[in-house]
Amino acid sequence: QKEVEQNSGPLSVPEGAIASLNCTYSDRGSQSFFWYRQYSGKSPELIMSIYSNGDKEDGRFTAQLNKASQYVSLLIRDSQPSDSATYLCAVNRNNYQLIWGAGTKLIIKP
Amino acid sequence: DTAVSQTPKYLVTQMGNDKSIKCEQNLGHDTMYWYKQDSKKFLKIMFSYNNKELIINETVPNRFSPKSPDKAHLNLHINSLELGDSAVYFCASSPGPGSYEQYFGPGTRLTVT
Repeated sequence: QKEVEQNSGPLSVPEGAIASLNCTYSDRGSQSFFWYRQYSGKSPELIMSIYSNGDKEDGRFTAQLNKASQYVSLLIRDSQPSDSATYLCAVNRNNYQLIWGAGTKLIIKP
Repeated sequence: DTAVSQTPKYLVTQMGNDKSIKCEQNLGHDTMYWYKQDSKKFLKIMFSYNNKELIINETVPNRFSPKSPDKAHLNLHINSLELGDSAVYFCASSPGPGSYEQYFGPGTRLTVT
């Protein structure tokens, strides 16, 4: 079992719809969870962090965390073509290290 | 006003050569990282330094040697380059212990021919 698992996609979503990206992790001791966006040919960019169970909203983005189920998700409302990218889930392992998922490729269809 | 910068952006070289990649951050962070991202896009941690001390040293060929002259700089030297070293190398930084969010440089695309 991989430490952080994501569906590689591609996930195709119509413009204006809600995109839902999911991530599961294996280490119950993890405390910090991150979503990064990576456009093709660019570096990963931090878009959301979440530390407590529940929802955290930032503009069109909502991160959801359920530690009991070891599950973290990212919702993107009113999806735009500019949201097309690979989304990486990262979970802390210890004081210094993040464990990365392989990423989900999201395609927003106009 | 770049936060994490890397040089060079592109590096094309022949097998057997030695090359270096440089990274600098102006965020005041204590921890810096080197990652390798291959053609399958998976981010693999290579090394990490906290305040000039090596804290993460993953299973990487000893042809790769990191060096941190101060906490704002982390360089990567690669000896005897091989075809399999072709990848994008990212430098990243984070505030330090207990603060896990990482900020990435633009990457260095290394092509070994």
